[in-house]
Amino acid sequence: GAGVSQSPSNKVTEKGKDVELRCDPISGHTALYWYRQSLGQGLEFLIYFQGNSAPDKSGLPSDRFSAERTGGSVSTLTIQRTQQEDSAVYLCASTPMGQAVTGGPQYFGPGTRLTVL
Amino acid sequence: AQSVTQPDIHITVSEGASLELRCNYSYGATPYLFWYVQSPGQGLQLLLKYFSGDTLVQGIKGFEAEFKRSQSSFNLRKPSVHWSDAAEYFCAVGSTGANNLFFGTGTRLTVIP
Repeated sequence: GAGVSQSPSNKVTEKGKDVELRCDPISGHTALYWYRQSLGQGLEFLIYFQGNSAPDKSGLPSDRFSAERTGGSVSTLTIQRTQQEDSAVYLCASTPMGQAVTGGPQYFGPGTRLTVL
Repeated sequence: AQSVTQPDIHITVSEGASLELRCNYSYGATPYLFWYVQSPGQGLQLLLKYFSGDTLVQGIKGFEAEFKRSQSSFNLRKPSVHWSDAAEYFCAVGSTGANNLFFGTGTRLTVIP
């Protein structure tokens, strides 16, 4: 597609429920990143995919967070048993190759605003 | 450890005035530096980037930034601000060998008529 897309744009859920956030990267981009943006904070790195594998999961805050990517394209970030502190904007980005190779810019989607009540 | 500092949380300028947003970084390797802008409800849009060469880089929307290695800074400037420039601005650093970008906490720009 023309850009990175994410769905849903907004998600309101109750504490303890599971949520799935979807990212569709730019066609042909092999690297995909998830970030979290909390109120008043910068972007916090969560996980990085190269193709379908995730060589860097260092940013996932707890075992309630997981992500997968299939077909080298769409990625899903899943948060189990959501907590109020999970409320944030979740941003997805992609690049033609891994950041570690090119050091180049990332292209961001519009984000999913998650609110946990 | 890598880090990016944007010391100004919020800046207010009058339309037509000049603008400078500060960014300082700490990075062991040769950094690649970026400025992104985020309008309300939007994703991050790349304004400009520095990889190497000329330390003054031009970006979109009339923005420019200057890399000063001696000061570990990459400040963003615009000679004359427009009301549409009101947004959140993020400085970021990356390099080959790092899997992700490191972002500052952002500077919110308000433009008054």
